[in-house]
This record gives sequence, C-alpha cells and structure tokens, in this order.
Amino acid sequence: QQQVKQSPQSLIVQKGGISIINCAYENTAFDYFPWYQQFPGKGPALLIAIRPDVSEKKEGRFTISFNKSAKQFSLHIMDSQPGDSATYFCAASMRYGGATNKLIFGTGTLLAVQP
Amino acid sequence: NAGVTQTPKFRVLKTGQSMTLLCAQDMNHEYMYWYRQDPGMGLRLIHYSVGEGTTAKGEVPDGYNVSRLKKQNFLLGLESAAPSQTSVYFCASSDQRRSSYEQYFGPGTRLTVT
Repeated sequence: QQQVKQSPQSLIVQKGGISIINCAYENTAFDYFPWYQQFPGKGPALLIAIRPDVSEKKEGRFTISFNKSAKQFSLHIMDSQPGDSATYFCAASMRYGGATNKLIFGTGTLLAVQP
Repeated sequence: NAGVTQTPKFRVLKTGQSMTLLCAQDMNHEYMYWYRQDPGMGLRLIHYSVGEGTTAKGEVPDGYNVSRLKKQNFLLGLESAAPSQTSVYFCASSDQRRSSYEQYFGPGTRLTVT
C-alpha cells in the first residue's frame, strides 16, 4: 500500500517532443508528490512537487498533472531537450515516525532525448 | 557551500569485511537520511536521523548501523558485508523548517561486495 508505481521504465523522445512519465499510488496518507531528476553519477535533485489539493503545477517546461480520484500523477516535459536526458523518479511523501516525512520513490524512468 | 558530500566515492569489499560510509552536510539541516539505490527498485530508505544523537530505522535497515554524533555528519556502517549489499548508497538531508519532501542528496558511494 506504500508503493508508488512508475511507468514507463525507459523512454526515447525526439528533441522538441513531449515526454510523459506516469505514476500511481494507493495510500491516501501521502501529502506531497515530488519529482526528482538524476543525471549519471550524481545524486537525485528535486525538480518539481505538487500537493494533492492542486490539479496541476507548472515550472518552465515541466508540468505535474495530478488526478486525486484516480490516485495518479504524471510529469510532462514540454519541448524536450537533449540536456533533459536523465533518470526521473516520482515520489510520495508521508509522515513517518512522528518527526519527519518519508519519501517513497518510484522505480525510475530513464529518459533519452535524441537530437 | 558544498551541500552534501560523501566519502568514499567507490569501494570494493570482500564478503565479511566491514566499512563506514561518511556523509557530511554544511546546510545546518536537522534531518539526514541514508538510501540505497538498486536497478529497477528506486531508492529505499535504510536509516534516518531527526537530529544530533538520534537515529531510526527505515525500510531496509538489516545489516546496517548508523550514528549521528555531530549534526553535520551521518555515518553508515556495514559490520559484515554481504554481496546483497552491493549497491549505490546515497545520503540526503533536509531542513525541518520546510517540508522534508525536499531532500538534498549527495553524489553517492558505489559499493561492490565480492
């Protein structure tokens, strides 16, 4: 019930195209849904996040769409660029141990943007 | 401002050997975390700490121990390494004054146990 399911496992997009990565969850206790971006040899870095009371959040070319009733959320990368090639992780946050939030990560999507 | 740093970057151990991974952060964050990253499994929480002198178990704590003697450091120990502990280990930190869904990650330590 604490899992976050992410698809696809890998994605190839042409430069200028739209990249779409989907995630689904079961636990309604999750209170934040961040996306992390990871380049080879680096640690993940927060890209964008959304609260469950918001249906969409946009930051530049990156947009999160959130469907609370379906328990699904997705990352859209508009005008995809070769520099966006990375692994993307969706995550869900919930209170854990009473003192901090726990991040449950999806399994990751390897995005390759071809020039 | 280096953020989160980890040492070493790479290590090869033989089964049964021990080692300690060091994480340091210079952002004065209260919360620190250790994750392991395995292909097709995302990141899984090993242990975490909500402040100096405190530690707690995460999802996959078996075979690992941690210590947080100083606020800026979080150590992960493997007492008797096993091949199943071959992984990339990431340390992260977050600020308790902001939502701790925003975690800052180090560059990782790639550990191979033969």
